[in-house]
Amino acid sequence: QQPVQSPQAVILREGEDAVINCSSSKALYSVHWYRQKHGEAPVFLMILLKGGEQKGHDKISASFNEKKQQSSLYLTASQLSYSGTYFCGTGSSNTGKLIFGQGTTLQVKP
Amino acid sequence: DVKVTQSSRYLVKRTGEKVFLECVQDMDHENMFWYRQDPGLGLRLIYFSYDVKMKEKGDIPEGYSVSREKKERFSLILESASTNQTSMYLCASSRTGGAGNTEAFFGQGTRLTVV
Repeated sequence: QQPVQSPQAVILREGEDAVINCSSSKALYSVHWYRQKHGEAPVFLMILLKGGEQKGHDKISASFNEKKQQSSLYLTASQLSYSGTYFCGTGSSNTGKLIFGQGTTLQVKP
Repeated sequence: DVKVTQSSRYLVKRTGEKVFLECVQDMDHENMFWYRQDPGLGLRLIYFSYDVKMKEKGDIPEGYSVSREKKERFSLILESASTNQTSMYLCASSRTGGAGNTEAFFGQGTRLTVV
């Protein structure tokens, strides 16, 4: 089953913050985050492994709560380049199988 | 540079035709995936392969089959194309690192239209 992302869409002004949530009904080994711009392939942002870690690069970070089977992606001081569709992907087994959510569309306006 | 290449960007086929979508990766990855992308439904896994000749069904395998005879190549087959298979198809690959914890690389996608 696909993980559930919320919200489905968000519109921001440059400099504002956003949080995208991802939850699964299955136990998770890992959570991936990807961003897809219109007409392009999804691009990897980060992976979080079970253990409740938090990761980040630049102004984008994420957390993973393995007990709650949830992850959140934090975008701070958003830039125009952050616009796109964000997908979380969940790894529930040790085979490398990766299931994605339905996506969250983020639009950053000047 | 890492590369996942899908054979066609755009494809138009007739209902009932047998359709082959090809994907090749040059990174010696063990894992390969076929996803279908539709608006509002995200990326839905059709099939996953973790080794040559090994495959696992995803969430929506009905109407599709796959073939992986060589490590670098993963083919998606629509046995008898139908209009509800009109969609964007994305191939991806990743290295085995245990527990799905390695980065996946995506191809540019094939926009398939079945008429």
